[in-house]
Amino acid sequence: EPEVTQTPSHQVTQMGQEVILRCVPISNHLYFYWYRQILGQKVEFLVSFYNNEISEKSEIFDDQFSVERPDGSNFTLKIRSTKLEDSAMYFCAVPGQGQETQYFGPGTRLLVL
Amino acid sequence: AQSVTQPDIHITVSEGASLELRCNYSYGATPYLFWYVQSPGQGLQLLLKYFSGDTLVQGIKGFEAEFKRSQSSFNLRKPSVHWSDAAEYFCAVGLYNQGGKLIFGQGTELSVKP
Repeated sequence: EPEVTQTPSHQVTQMGQEVILRCVPISNHLYFYWYRQILGQKVEFLVSFYNNEISEKSEIFDDQFSVERPDGSNFTLKIRSTKLEDSAMYFCAVPGQGQETQYFGPGTRLLVL
Repeated sequence: AQSVTQPDIHITVSEGASLELRCNYSYGATPYLFWYVQSPGQGLQLLLKYFSGDTLVQGIKGFEAEFKRSQSSFNLRKPSVHWSDAAEYFCAVGLYNQGGKLIFGQGTELSVKP
């Protein structure tokens, strides 16, 4: 089971500010995924990223969102101009050995005021 | 469209009693199916998965799930619940023709009475 860390664990920001959420898998991965969970709701897919390109994205993942692999290991999710409704827990996930199973990081709780 | 339904929002069982959490999915092909557990304020931990083969799969913490194609179901079971099993349980289907995304159900919150 791959280990995944996410930073920060919590972030509070003002509406309209940019935030960058980071995901650090312990081993190299070509695939990674971002999901979000609004408080009390189900986990929703945002985007999948393979070999430095977006392979699939949801309707939630609009122009305000972007993903990068800035240094070959970390993966980032950027929200350019946060809105109140972006307040949620954001999870990254990476596949296991067989690629079919996703293992989740502990999440970043984002609060937009 | 693909979807996952967990009909029970909240279930309460007594410690030591058996448990069954329901999950139904809608997907045109043979699905990859998963159960994850989430403790309060925590991330998602994989309990078990089904890809193919034996329709009864065993997972961690004494959980098992049975895939029934005819009913489009993947119910999670445990013969004897422990107080530490109190958490939120999510069923998910993996769409590997769509970038590998997981579609989650709404979740079932499990409470355990002493």
